[in-house]
Amino acid sequence: EPEVTQTPSHQVTQMGQEVILRCVPISNHLYFYWYRQILGQKVEFLVSFYNNEISEKSEIFDDQFSVERPDGSNFTLKIRSTKLEDSAMYFCASRTDYTGSPLHFGNGTRLTVT
Amino acid sequence: AQSVTQPDIHITVSEGASLELRCNYSYGATPYLFWYVQSPGQGLQLLLKYFSGDTLVQGIKGFEAEFKRSQSSFNLRKPSVHWSDAAEYFCAVGAGSGYSTLTFGKGTMLLVSP
Repeated sequence: EPEVTQTPSHQVTQMGQEVILRCVPISNHLYFYWYRQILGQKVEFLVSFYNNEISEKSEIFDDQFSVERPDGSNFTLKIRSTKLEDSAMYFCASRTDYTGSPLHFGNGTRLTVT
Repeated sequence: AQSVTQPDIHITVSEGASLELRCNYSYGATPYLFWYVQSPGQGLQLLLKYFSGDTLVQGIKGFEAEFKRSQSSFNLRKPSVHWSDAAEYFCAVGAGSGYSTLTFGKGTMLLVSP
């Protein structure tokens, strides 16, 4: 069964550094998402992306965050200048284009900001 | 705004016993409801979903859930739990474009005792 893959599985960075989290969504999927889960808290929506543009974003997704689909397969989340509170598990997800199609999640990237 | 409440943080069930995980939602329209499971170090795997129609939905791994509009609930059940079911379970309500912007509950950790 096709799956969403995320790299790296764990990323450690220093505060103020830029990080790029990478995702390869399922190949015939058209909608892409980033969610995050701070340790001990809920999984939270960050952003959705369709047709090469952001379709929705949460209040968490401020100017420090950006997303990109640089080629036909990758979907990236960039954090420009990381803060301690950005430490979390970041999940990428994708889905097909019919209403209510379920999200397929990757295994996540654990980001640790020191 | 939509919200999801999972009142039980932890539940311990004996192997072979039945299981019910509670989920209550708040949403202004007909909800799209999901249950996901997360095993340690893994991503979120879809167990089942409810969009419309029959209020009792069947999922993978022998799980089912019942949508009760009058109680704003979508409880997850399994008649006989296996040790491999030990994981964290998340209920979510879908909103936004394609009902795919998910709002998650805080999750219920299921422990299975021998």
